[in-house]
Amino acid sequence: AQTVTQSQPEMSVQEAETVTLSCTYDTSESDYYLFWYKQPPSRQMILVIRQEAYKQQNATENRFSVNFQKAAKSFSLKISDSQLGDAAMYFCAYRSNLISGSARQLTFGSGTQLTVLP
Amino acid sequence: EAGVTQFPSHSVIEKGQTVTLRCDPISGHDNLYWYRRVMGKEIKFLLHFVKESKQDESGMPNNRFLAERTGGTYSTLKVQPAELEDSGVYFCASSQEGQGVGKNIQYFGAGTRLSVL
Repeated sequence: AQTVTQSQPEMSVQEAETVTLSCTYDTSESDYYLFWYKQPPSRQMILVIRQEAYKQQNATENRFSVNFQKAAKSFSLKISDSQLGDAAMYFCAYRSNLISGSARQLTFGSGTQLTVLP
Repeated sequence: EAGVTQFPSHSVIEKGQTVTLRCDPISGHDNLYWYRRVMGKEIKFLLHFVKESKQDESGMPNNRFLAERTGGTYSTLKVQPAELEDSGVYFCASSQEGQGVGKNIQYFGAGTRLSVL
């Protein structure tokens, strides 16, 4: 079974600064997806970024980028130029890319609560 | 295009009562998932529908939980009778699998916060 670990329950960052959230995972599979989701206080969970394991290039979405280290099974999220609206709970998630339908469920980490200080 | 919608946003019931949660997925999404987050712990998978069929229900905690997706559109999750440990936030997500932009991504609703007293 796959596991996802987020070792930072809480993080804070000064507005306009950069912060990195950590995520490690454990799997025996070679083909999978990794995601970062954010859940602001309004509770709607929003996809931040997605990485496909077979792609060596790290995914980026505007101010959000990942550092994907497949051998180390590490998938950290970097937020540049942090804004007040980035304050949220961030979840790292894993999904197998096996053809089997049962593989499509997401396995989540426990989350990191990010506070952005003005 | 409307996102994933869940009703109600919050439900407070007494132990032993019945509660039904509803999820409307994104139109055209064949895959529908239920998850829950209990007591600030990890978000855990409950089950997965492909259209109206249960593809995987390995995460359902016990037979007090019943999920349906008649007609392959919206889904309901009924808890009967509710117990104190069922309190938490229940999330629904939908996806469309395959190739292309936006595929293989689960889009989440805002969740239903269930409080069992």
